[in-house]
Amino acid sequence: EAQLLESGGGLVRPGGSLRLSCGASGFTFSNYAMAWVRQAPGKGLEWVSAVGVSSGSTYYADSLKGRFTIARDNSQNILYLQMNRLRAEDTAVYYCAKSRGAYGLPPNFDQWGQGTLVTVSS
Amino acid sequence: QSAVTQPPSVSGTPGQRVTIFCSGSSSNIGSNPVSWFQHLPGTAPKLLIFGNNQRPSGVPDRFSGSKSGTSASLAISGLQSEDEADYYCAASDDSLNGVIFGGGTKLTVL
Repeated sequence: EAQLLESGGGLVRPGGSLRLSCGASGFTFSNYAMAWVRQAPGKGLEWVSAVGVSSGSTYYADSLKGRFTIARDNSQNILYLQMNRLRAEDTAVYYCAKSRGAYGLPPNFDQWGQGTLVTVSS
Repeated sequence: QSAVTQPPSVSGTPGQRVTIFCSGSSSNIGSNPVSWFQHLPGTAPKLLIFGNNQRPSGVPDRFSGSKSGTSASLAISGLQSEDEADYYCAASDDSLNGVIFGGGTKLTVL
């Protein structure tokens, strides 16, 4: 059974950086696109970023471009999200999600992690 | 303009059929397949529908999806108390070169 486990969340000051990781197991990681989706307190789901089967195909929400970087290590079955210049509005639970296919954009995320909380506050 | 709109809430009684609508534009729902997710607070979201009307294995056939033009809908028949959750539609958006989620609809089972 496919499993995703996020880590790396926590409390960070505005302007700081954080790197989230998502360990994958139970499926051939290198065959599937992956994504990050977040949910701010009291808000709905918001797509953050996606990556195709190689780190060469990456996609970002317009509001995040230049601050967040998605990457994957197919040899270690890990998905990353590097978050820089964090703002209070980035406070959210960040979910890692597996796509049904190899291409990054269709939102057919069939497996999700439990999420990791990122709090940006002074 | 790239936006996907859902009603904030819907409700129904056990056994009833409810439909949740999702309204988009030509750049998202109008030209790309729609997915639907069920989300209970504090848990991982669950894929209910992909490709407008395809159910992953394990999703009951009480859940069905459809699309027409720039709108999509999720129908839940034989409503059960455990269906009480938040429901989201999502689609790729060609203008954004990304994915857009609807604002979510809270389903209450009375």
